[in-house]
Amino acid sequence: QKEVEQDPGPLSVPEGAIVSLNCTYSNSAFQYFMWYRQYSRKGPELLMYTYSSGNKEDGRFTAQVDKSSKYISLFIRDSQPSDSATYLCALANAGGTSYGKLTFGQGTILTVHP
Amino acid sequence: DTGVSQDPRHKITKRGQNVTFRCDPISEHNRLYWYRQTLGQGPEFLTYFQNEAQLEKSRLLSDRFSAERPKGSFSTLEIQRTEQGDSAMYLCASSSRTSGGTTQYFGPGTRLTVL
Repeated sequence: QKEVEQDPGPLSVPEGAIVSLNCTYSNSAFQYFMWYRQYSRKGPELLMYTYSSGNKEDGRFTAQVDKSSKYISLFIRDSQPSDSATYLCALANAGGTSYGKLTFGQGTILTVHP
Repeated sequence: DTGVSQDPRHKITKRGQNVTFRCDPISEHNRLYWYRQTLGQGPEFLTYFQNEAQLEKSRLLSDRFSAERPKGSFSTLEIQRTEQGDSAMYLCASSSRTSGGTTQYFGPGTRLTVL
């Protein structure tokens, strides 16, 4: 079993739709939760960073963490064609020699069509 | 601040050849990470440095792989005797002391193709 599971999609939605992207994880040592966006043949770009359970909002993006269920989500409101990309969840431990090492999900390919 | 840069962006080599990639982190970022990403997968951790010290290496990093960060600034990743299975995108990321290491900024990657 992988430490982080992410539905690879692909996910296709019309412009303006609300998008929900999700990851589940098995290792309770993960304490930091990130979402990255990756355009084709580019490096990942950090979108959201959260530490605790709950919601964090940034513009059209909301990150949600439920540590008790080991489940994290990213919501995109009013989706735009420019949001078309691969979205990666990334998790990190709180300390020790593995501190800062990111464990990624497989990525979800999102297409927003006009 | 020009972000993380990687060189070359693309490398095509024949099986058995050695290749070396370079990463220049964001200036004054003390942590530097290497990841490998294959098609349709998320990046997988290879190794990371805090300043010039290599603190952790993944089991993915076979003895054909070596990474260095001699002066705590740029880093190199060398693959000896390349194999077709080494074909992937090699990503470098850096983070600062103040961000605690988990806020990582990625470079554009080096895409390696082994023929």
